[in-house]
Amino acid sequence: DAKTTQPPSMDCAEGRAANLPCNHSTISGNEYVYWYRQIHSQGPQYIIHGLKNNETNEMASLIITEDRKSSTLILPHATLRDTAVYYCIVRVLNTGTASKLTFGTGTRLQVTL
Amino acid sequence: EAQVTQNPRYLITVTGKKLTVTCSQNMNHEYMSWYRQDPGLGLRQIYYSMNVEVTDKGDVPEGYKVSRKEKRNFPLILESPSPNQTSLYFCASSSLYNSPLHFGNGTRLTVT
Repeated sequence: DAKTTQPPSMDCAEGRAANLPCNHSTISGNEYVYWYRQIHSQGPQYIIHGLKNNETNEMASLIITEDRKSSTLILPHATLRDTAVYYCIVRVLNTGTASKLTFGTGTRLQVTL
Repeated sequence: EAQVTQNPRYLITVTGKKLTVTCSQNMNHEYMSWYRQDPGLGLRQIYYSMNVEVTDKGDVPEGYKVSRKEKRNFPLILESPSPNQTSLYFCASSSLYNSPLHFGNGTRLTVT
């Protein structure tokens, strides 16, 4: 699986949109982009994933660039409860094959009043 | 309820005393994996398994063993724990087909 690069930390004011970038310049055509977050020392929680089209669910939106080399997770109205470490990973699916999954160190998002 | 269950949540042991951390999932997932998390190093994969009797090394497998005799269980075995294995451990599972990873609540291990 391709590696990802994320900024180590970001701040966001409560109520504002939080835009978290991720670089995955070596992504392959059959690799999905997944986002997870980890609050304190709990198990990481799935947020959203996509292949090439933009995706939206009740938690967030995912914007993937046309060349698929980067993506942005958008939390439209950040709250204090969104303070967490956010991980972007890429993963091959739909092939029946397992693989290493590298999470890296993620982006620590601090939402402030 | 769909879940990944790890036991124990907390474990303090001494160097060299064999231990096993259990992981069980009730979602009939093929893929299971173990991670360790240390300050400043993020989540690092120890071992993973794509199905029964099929396991492979992740990025940091030294000092660990795993087995996958049943689809639902994926225990992590430390034959001779050392202090550098003090860490927070997570088990995760997923289907191999377009499914997110489901994580357990973690096991905090301290080796003295």
